[in-house]
Amino acid sequence: EVQLVESGGGLIQPGESLTLSCATFGFSFSHFALGWVRQAPGKGLEWVSGITGSGGSTFYPRSAKGRFTISKDTSKNTVSLHVANVTPDDTAVYYCVRHPGANYADYFGDWGQGTLVTVSS
Amino acid sequence: IQMTQSPSTLSASVGDRVTITCRASQSISRSLAWYQQKPGKPPHVLISEASTLQIGVPSRFSGSGSGTEFTLTISGLQPEDFATYYCQQYNVYSGAFGRGTKVET
Repeated sequence: EVQLVESGGGLIQPGESLTLSCATFGFSFSHFALGWVRQAPGKGLEWVSGITGSGGSTFYPRSAKGRFTISKDTSKNTVSLHVANVTPDDTAVYYCVRHPGANYADYFGDWGQGTLVTVSS
Repeated sequence: IQMTQSPSTLSASVGDRVTITCRASQSISRSLAWYQQKPGKPPHVLISEASTLQIGVPSRFSGSGSGTEFTLTISGLQPEDFATYYCQQYNVYSGAFGRGTKVET
């Protein structure tokens, strides 16, 4: 069974950095592209990063370039998202997502339960 | 690529036929997925490639379209279908989501 388990959320102050982690289980880690999607309270879904199965390529929407960094640790089967210089607009539930294959340009077949990040002073 | 989803809210009753529309700002071929999300839960995919039903999704859900115009239809709304639905294009990267359609009573 595919499982995606996020961690690292919580209360963080504006201007600080945060790192979210997603532990993965139940599939061959290097064969699937992974990513992060966030959802602000009461709002819609926003894709914020993606990484290919090999980890050789990363992708971000224009809104996330420069502050968001996604990475994979194949020794731990985890994917991480680092967000620098957070603002209150980064307050959201962050979901770890898995594509159905190694291709990053694909739908999200599996979702974690999400981790809530609250940016406030 | 921008995805315009309509309506934003839809009032319906059990048994109704419901249609949600998603328009892309440029052609995305058939690279479109539909998701259902219930409060406090992550979304889950219903349909990919515009019309391919995911395993386990009831046949009352159907998708159609290509290019820039897509629809999600629920034929015979059930109580468990009251939720928010999102479209997502994946022709370019993992793509943009529509703003969502809340199906309510």
